Amino acid sequence: GQQVMQIPQYQHVQEGEDFTTYCNSSTTLSNIQWYKQRPGGHPVFLIQLVKSGEVKKQKRLTFQFGEAKKNSSLHITATQTTDVGTYFCAGPGSYIPTFGRGTSLIVHP
Amino acid sequence: GAGVSQSPSNKVTEKGKDVELRCDPISGHTALYWYRQSLGQGLEFLIYFQGNSAPDKSGLPSDRFSAERTGGSVSTLTIQRTQQEDSAVYLCASSQTDRNSPLHFGNGTRLTVT
Repeated sequence: GQQVMQIPQYQHVQEGEDFTTYCNSSTTLSNIQWYKQRPGGHPVFLIQLVKSGEVKKQKRLTFQFGEAKKNSSLHITATQTTDVGTYFCAGPGSYIPTFGRGTSLIVHP
Repeated sequence: GAGVSQSPSNKVTEKGKDVELRCDPISGHTALYWYRQSLGQGLEFLIYFQGNSAPDKSGLPSDRFSAERTGGSVSTLTIQRTQQEDSAVYLCASSQTDRNSPLHFGNGTRLTVT
C-alpha cells in the first residue's frame, strides 16, 4: 500500500531562520495535502496540491509538488513563534488518506 | 457552520472498563474517519465510513475496538476491556467525499487508562 515518509522528524530553529520539511511517497500521488497541528490541538488543513510541479504560497509558507508527483515540500521563510507545531503531509491512499509521521517545528525566540 | 464535535474531551478509565467515544461530523459530510494519535506520534488510521457503504475496519488494532455510524451522521467508537496501551488521543475527521477532499478534524478525545 501507499507509504508516505516525512523528514526530518524534528527541527529546531532560531526565530527568523527558514524551515523545510520533505514528504516522499512510495507511489505516484494524485494529490497531496498538508496539515498543521499546534501543540495540544488537532490537525488543521492547510493546502492541497494536485498538478505536477505545482507551487503554491500562503504568506511565508511555500508548498511544492514534485514533477513526478511522488514528493512534496513545505518551506517556511523567516519562522515565527506562531509557526510552532507539527506539519503533516497526506497522500490520498486508495480512498483513505495516508499521513506521514509529521515534522515537529520548534522555534526558539 | 459548526465543525466536527467530539465528546468527551477527556476520559479517564480503569483498565478493563469499556468506553464510548462520540463524534458528530460536519453536516453533509459523507465520509468519516477515526484516527488514533499517541503522545508525540503520527496519525494511526482506525476505521472509515463512507455514506451507507460497509465501513473499512482494516485499521482497528484488535477486536476490542468497534465503531458504528448511525443514520450516516453521528459515530461512536467503542473500546471494550480497555488496556493501558489504549491510552491516546482519538481523533475523528469528516470530509465531503473521500480521498480528494480535505479532512476536518475534531478536537479529539484524550483517553487515559489507569
